[in-house]
Amino acid sequence: EVQLVESGGGWVQSGGSLRLSCAASGLSFSSYWMSWVRQVPGKGLEWVANINRDGSEKYYVDSVKGRFTMSRDNAKSSVWLQMNNLRAEDMAVYYCARVIQGGGGLDVWGQGTTVTVSS
Amino acid sequence: QSALTQPASVSGSPGQSITISCTGSSSDIGSYNLVSWYQQHPGKAPKLIIYEVNKWPSGVSNRFSGSKSGNTASLTISGLQAEDEADYYCCSHGFSSTFVFGGGTKLTVL
Repeated sequence: EVQLVESGGGWVQSGGSLRLSCAASGLSFSSYWMSWVRQVPGKGLEWVANINRDGSEKYYVDSVKGRFTMSRDNAKSSVWLQMNNLRAEDMAVYYCARVIQGGGGLDVWGQGTTVTVSS
Repeated sequence: QSALTQPASVSGSPGQSITISCTGSSSDIGSYNLVSWYQQHPGKAPKLIIYEVNKWPSGVSNRFSGSKSGNTASLTISGLQAEDEADYYCCSHGFSSTFVFGGGTKLTVL
């Protein structure tokens, strides 16, 4: 069974840091781009970051550039999202997702991990 | 990276068909046939229901269909069922290997 499992969410003060993890199983991890998507409770989905198959290319939404860093280790079938200088507006459920080859959508999603930022 | 525009809500009766629009720009929907749609029930992760404008992932009902014209994509759900009541989000590949989502549409089955 194809599965993504996020962890690392929690409570942090404004200006603090958190590192989210996403472990993949049951899929050819190294063959796919991966994404992070977040959702403020009661609000819509927001794409946060993409990483290519070997980790050499990374793309971010403007609001997190310079603060968030996405990385991956194909040997561990894992991706991470290092979040620094967290702000109240970063408080959300964070999902990792697999990108369909060709970029046409996100076909496998994790269950999400919650980040709470206290000011 | 402006969000795509969707209606906040739509409704329909069981058995009817509804259509949700998703308007973007020439930088996203208009430039790529890489529009996807997601269904999200409360407390659950999003589920892919349409990819690359009009393709179905394995296991998704063909009551869901997608299309695109210019900068606007559409999701049609035919033969509405009670379990279709959920939030629906469109998404497009954007400039420089990014994604952009719509604001979401709440579907109510009357």
